[in-house]
Amino acid sequence: KQEVTQIPAALSVPEGENLVLNCSFTDSAIYNLQWFRQDPGKGLTSLLLIQSSQREQTSGRLNASLDKSSGRSTLYIAASQPGDSATYLCAVKEDSNYQLIWGAGTKLIIKP
Amino acid sequence: GAVVSQHPSWVICKSGTSVKIECRSLDFQATTMFWYRQFPKQSLMLMATSNEGSKATYEQGVEKDKFLINHASLTLSTLTVTSAHPEDSSFYICSARSPGDGYTFGSGTRLTVV
Repeated sequence: KQEVTQIPAALSVPEGENLVLNCSFTDSAIYNLQWFRQDPGKGLTSLLLIQSSQREQTSGRLNASLDKSSGRSTLYIAASQPGDSATYLCAVKEDSNYQLIWGAGTKLIIKP
Repeated sequence: GAVVSQHPSWVICKSGTSVKIECRSLDFQATTMFWYRQFPKQSLMLMATSNEGSKATYEQGVEKDKFLINHASLTLSTLTVTSAHPEDSSFYICSARSPGDGYTFGSGTRLTVV
């Protein structure tokens, strides 16, 4: 059974720092992996989608990598800003028709 | 881009009443929609998969008679919480498989049962 783990559960860093969020999954046979952002009491915003054949995706200050063989993905945030404060979730899809399997999220706080 | 509209954004209801939450795909057809629930400080949990024109598939432990899902058209799925109780208070989010193989999420509904 696929399990998705995100470490750390919470992270607080000063503004301007570069940081890395981690996501690991137990079964490497995934279809794709997606990173989301959730602001308190709000819905989800999709940040980056990495297909199983890809190794990374970039959007602005965000870069997500995928290493299927080791069951890991990282989300790199460059030059962090207070507006980046949110909970970041990763989710894995095992098959084109399957639902997402979620990590518990990392709560990120960027201190001004 | 693909947009999913969910409403209401928040609702307060009395215990024992029913509440309907709507999820609409605005610019694409969604044959499959998903309903999630999130309790405070916990991750999203899939409740059910809604397929247009057929019965929803519920996850283990989710009461299908309590959480009624209807997906009567390619752009609309509804979740009705029947005979709501305070323990049903939660954040409910719908999503749809969007073009490009990703998922698009609604903005969520905060349900408070008093």
